[in-house]
Amino acid sequence: DQQVKQNSPSLSVQEGRISILNCDYTNSMFDYFLWYKKYPAEGPTFLISISSIKDKNEDGRFTVFLNKSAKHLSLHIVPSQPGDSAVYFCAASADLRQFYFGTGTSLTVIP
Amino acid sequence: ETGVTQSPTHLIKTRGQQVTLRCSSQSGHNTVSWYQQALGQGPQFIFQYYREEENGRGNFPPRFSGLQFPNYSSELNVNALELDDSALYLCASSLGAQGAREQYFGPGTRLTVT
Repeated sequence: DQQVKQNSPSLSVQEGRISILNCDYTNSMFDYFLWYKKYPAEGPTFLISISSIKDKNEDGRFTVFLNKSAKHLSLHIVPSQPGDSAVYFCAASADLRQFYFGTGTSLTVIP
Repeated sequence: ETGVTQSPTHLIKTRGQQVTLRCSSQSGHNTVSWYQQALGQGPQFIFQYYREEENGRGNFPPRFSGLQFPNYSSELNVNALELDDSALYLCASSLGAQGAREQYFGPGTRLTVT
């Protein structure tokens, strides 16, 4: 039972444009959400997080939006850079112990 | 500051065998979580250890067991290996009594079961 879903396996964006990565979840008990970036042969790297008391969190070029009623979150990267090319995972947790991950979206930023 | 390290990098085992994977947590971190990432999937939570005690467990059978040592390093043991256990095993360390908002992952151990 996949409680966190990333329905787009891949995304290609021109350098300088906006990248929007989407994530849906089914468990209404989730109250903490994270995005990780993963390069080949490396472990995931924490990118940005948001708790359910907020609907937006911003860190530099990265912004995460949370729509609790739709059980949907998205990661916006503006402007996109070639170094952003990686696999992005969203994750969610209800207890800060067990984190549920999506299947990932492979982002390619074209120079 | 030393990051999360895992050993070995790659491992090949035969079905029915037992395997031990190791993880050294980031300096100062007292919590270690283990994940299994099958090909094309996201990481799946196996269990978490906080101060040498299991602090949460995902939907994995008892043949997946773990240990955390006083220096907060950790082991993942898998008995009676099955073909479906072939995956990348990731450990993540964090600081917190109830998990943590930020987990720092190691590069993983690639296990192949034949």
